[in-house]
Amino acid sequence: NAGVTQTPKFQVLKTGQSMTLQCAQDMNHNSMYWYRQDPGMGLRLIYYSASEGTTDKGEVPNGYNVSRLNKREFSLRLESAAPSQTSVYFCASSRYDQPSGVYNEQFFGPGTRLTVL
Amino acid sequence: KNEVEQSPQNLTAQEGEFITINCSYSVGISALHWLQQHPGGGIVSLFMLSSGKKKHGRLIATINIQEKHSSLHITASHPRDSAVYICAVTGSARQLTFGSGTQLTVLP
Repeated sequence: NAGVTQTPKFQVLKTGQSMTLQCAQDMNHNSMYWYRQDPGMGLRLIYYSASEGTTDKGEVPNGYNVSRLNKREFSLRLESAAPSQTSVYFCASSRYDQPSGVYNEQFFGPGTRLTVL
Repeated sequence: KNEVEQSPQNLTAQEGEFITINCSYSVGISALHWLQQHPGGGIVSLFMLSSGKKKHGRLIATINIQEKHSSLHITASHPRDSAVYICAVTGSARQLTFGSGTQLTVLP
């Protein structure tokens, strides 16, 4: 099993350019997440998808859109990149056990380092 | 005030020392997580716990729900334990809220 994979690993954009970060998991998890990590700020949730077909905003959703393409894939799109979006982006997935209402541990991808000039 | 506070922010230890990292939180939670982030950037889940104590190898995690406090202990520390250790909690919104991490350096 590959776990959680992300592409690309590195990206440099100019202000105003658009791009999509791809994420896929092969663990049959129903929940997927996008985080950004900035120095001194800790990880912050951008968007999440509790199950296939649903997406919800997290703490810092402005400037981003997401698509839960199917159970495996969850993409993050920057429509018009800004320097404030320079960050390391992590995708994660977990299994949500509906009967007990418990979200299990999250598995993280290797991250995408994005620089916006 | 951050919902999840970790201490210390930075910790340097000699190989073999017993290490403790603390985490306090201010909200009701369903679970607390300890994560490890290596210098290469990858993040790995170490523990998820909602009560008591868990042990995995040289790592021990404890939680006191009444005091809203958790500790991560590393026994017989080794230079390969050098990493950032992150505490996170699952609150009522069922999302993870993260602390800002503790940078641990273990010297040989």
